Order: sequence, then C-alpha cells, then structure tokens
Amino acid sequence: DTGVSQDPRHKITKRGQNVTFRCDPISEHNRLYWYRQTLGQGPEFLTYFQNEAQLEKSRLLSDRFSAERPKGSFSTLEIQRTEQGDSAMYLCASSSGRMDQPQHFGDGTRLSIL
Amino acid sequence: GQQVMQIPQYQHVQEGEDFTTYCNSSTTLSNIQWYKQRPGGHPVFLIQLVKSGEVKKQKRLTFQFGEAKKNSSLHITATQTTDVGTYFCAGHTRSNYQLIWGAGTKLIIKP
Repeated sequence: DTGVSQDPRHKITKRGQNVTFRCDPISEHNRLYWYRQTLGQGPEFLTYFQNEAQLEKSRLLSDRFSAERPKGSFSTLEIQRTEQGDSAMYLCASSSGRMDQPQHFGDGTRLSIL
Repeated sequence: GQQVMQIPQYQHVQEGEDFTTYCNSSTTLSNIQWYKQRPGGHPVFLIQLVKSGEVKKQKRLTFQFGEAKKNSSLHITATQTTDVGTYFCAGHTRSNYQLIWGAGTKLIIKP
C-alpha cells in the first residue's frame, strides 16, 4: 500500500493561468474524491469518481474547474483562468468498496495565485 | 443545504486535561466519521459510527453517535502532546455520495 500520491506538492502561478494537478489513488481503490481546503476550514467537496465515471460534482463549483479519471486509475483536476480565490490546498482521497468506507487522503497540492 | 456544525473552533488545554468536540447535523446521518489532521498534514481516518446511540473507544478517545443520528462527540481523556491537531467530523446522508464535513476543532496544548 503506497498511499495516495499527489503532484505537484506546491504550485505558484499568476492569475489567469491554467493549472493541472494529478492524483494517483491507492491501486485497488475504485472511488476517488477531490476536495479543496482553506485555512481553518474542513475539506470542501469538489467532485467524486467511481472508476472512470464522474458521479457527482459540487453545485458550487465554477465551470473553470474540470476533472477526469480516464482509465479509472489516476485523476487530474484542471483549473482554467485561475483567480485569487482559488488559492487553497487541493486534496485527493480514495476509498474502496461501499460509499461509507474510510477515505484515504494524499498530502495535497498547495496552490498559490499571485 | 445540508450542514454539519462543529464546536468549539479551538480548544486550549493544559497537557493532562480533557478535550471534547461536538458535531451537530441539520439532517439525519447514515454514519459519522472522525478524522485527525496534524499541523501541515492531511486528514487521517480515526473511526466510523453507524448505529444510533453507538459508543466506541480507542485508548483515551471516546466517540459517541446520538440517538437521533444527528449529533456526535469526541472526548479525549488526559491529553498528550501527540494529540495536537484538528479533529473533523464528517457524515454521509442517504441521499448523496459526498461526505459533509464539519469545520474542525483545533486542539492546542498550552505550553
């Protein structure tokens, strides 16, 4: 069990640029989640995949955000035309089996918008 | 929308004192999970409660799920420096896939 891996760990970019993050879940996990976390807050749900299917996306999520999990393994999260308010820690988590199984988190990607 | 309120936001304790955090949901939960996030780290799963009125213990940690499955608590007896971090509750409702998270309670040990 190598754990959930996220890349990069840190990303600094100028406002208006596009960024893409990658998440490699635990290999046998079929469920993958993306969250955003800001200081002093709990993780905010962004989107959820079961295998390659994106089953749920937060209604609060801007159209600038898109995620893929093309082969049901790794996933990417892209933010287009970044804004100051996008600065946050982006966390990926995976789980297996039933929906209520514990989620295993990666170390996250910290995004800073200049 | 569905919310989980968690209090207090911070708790400062002397080492050896007890610590408690409370969660309240606006809707009935099918389960409640507790996670711990160390400073600079990511959330790590501690435990899950499923049954109404359930109580589970892990060493000095006691977790409770309310009879109505709308509230939960975590109590730590005789805190140690290794307990420092933020404790989050998170629950599922029957109607969607996502975990609904509380804002967390940060445990701070006074020097």
